[in-house]
Amino acid sequence: RKEVEQDPGPFNVPEGATVAFNCTYSNSASQSFFWYRQDCRKEPKLLMSVYSSGNEDGRFTAQLNRASQYISLLIRDSKLSDSATYLCGSSWGKLQFGAGTQVVVTP
Amino acid sequence: DTAVSQTPKYLVTQMGNDKSIKCEQNLGHDTMYWYKQDSKKFLKIMFSYNNKELIINETVPNRFSPKSPDKAHLNLHINSLELGDSAVYFCASSPQGDRGYTFGSGTRLTVV
Repeated sequence: RKEVEQDPGPFNVPEGATVAFNCTYSNSASQSFFWYRQDCRKEPKLLMSVYSSGNEDGRFTAQLNRASQYISLLIRDSKLSDSATYLCGSSWGKLQFGAGTQVVVTP
Repeated sequence: DTAVSQTPKYLVTQMGNDKSIKCEQNLGHDTMYWYKQDSKKFLKIMFSYNNKELIINETVPNRFSPKSPDKAHLNLHINSLELGDSAVYFCASSPQGDRGYTFGSGTRLTVV
């Protein structure tokens, strides 16, 4: 079983809609959690850290559920430029990633 | 000013050759990493160095040898390249504590 698991998608989202997806992690010792965005053939870029209390950055909201060992990302008012693969990261001294969730925003 | 830079960006080589990839960061971070992203897009950690000292060595064939001459540089040497080594190799760095990593733009290695 992989340490971090994500639904690969794709999630096809009309422009302006809301999309949400989760990732689960298996190591209960994980301390830090992140969402990264990766565009085709580019490096992953940090989108946001995920805090226990949940956090928001503009149209993006991240939540952490330690009891069920999952984190979530919600994107409101989707833009065409949000089309990308979203990587979930879980860290306990080393950052492990899920395989990514592909989001395709359509006009 | 590129924060984490890798060279070369592309590398095409024949099976059995030896090649090196270089990485440099100017962020003042203490820890550097090598990740491999294969054709299925799964990004997997290979090595980590903290201030020139190896701290993470995942189950990577010993044909792969990282070297860190100083905390701003981390190189990866690969001996006897195999077809399965074809992937994108990303260098990353991070500050102290469990904070987000900054990635280089990747080296696309193709072994033919």
